[in-house]
Amino acid sequence: DAKTTQPTSMDCAEGRAANLPCNHSTISGNEYVYWYRQIHSQGPQYIIHGLKNNETNEMASLIITEDRKSSTLILPHATLRDTAVYYCIVTSYNTDKLIFGTGTRLQVFP
Amino acid sequence: GAGVSQSPSNKVTEKGKDVELRCDPISGHTALYWYRQRLGQGLEFLIYFQGNSAPDKSGLPSDRFSAERTGESVSTLTIQRTQQEDSAVYLCASRAGGRRADTQYFGPGTRLTVL
Repeated sequence: DAKTTQPTSMDCAEGRAANLPCNHSTISGNEYVYWYRQIHSQGPQYIIHGLKNNETNEMASLIITEDRKSSTLILPHATLRDTAVYYCIVTSYNTDKLIFGTGTRLQVFP
Repeated sequence: GAGVSQSPSNKVTEKGKDVELRCDPISGHTALYWYRQRLGQGLEFLIYFQGNSAPDKSGLPSDRFSAERTGESVSTLTIQRTQQEDSAVYLCASRAGGRRADTQYFGPGTRLTVL
């Protein structure tokens, strides 16, 4: 699986967009970008995934660069409940396992 | 409840004792995973069950760790002769059939403290 690099931590004001970057320069053609998050004292929660096109769902948007070497998870209007560790994972769609790194700790402040 | 459940939620034990952690996956989910998360760290994959296939035990850290699953139901993770470094949150996840990485549903975890 391709390795990902994420900032250790980020801050965001409540109501503003939170943009979480992820570098995955060694991603291969059949690998997807997945995002999970883990709110304190809970298990991780799936957010979104994509291959090469930008994706949007009720939780977030995923912007993948044209060369697919990096991506950004966007929470359009961050709330205090979005404070969590966000994991960017790159893996084959047919994989059985997810490899979690250390993620980005997002702190949303009032 | 429709989610993954785990028990106990907290377990305190003495060094050298054996512990059993339980996971009840979402009904009908054929895949089940165990992960370990030490304080302030990411998730470490431990073991994976998929239907009737042989489990993938590649993440188990030592032979003190073992897990069982009967069919597509409950799984038990057993740690023998616990050590202080086993202290962590043990997370279970289940996934519906097929080979997709986006639909793992996690339980709340069991916090294990070894004194």
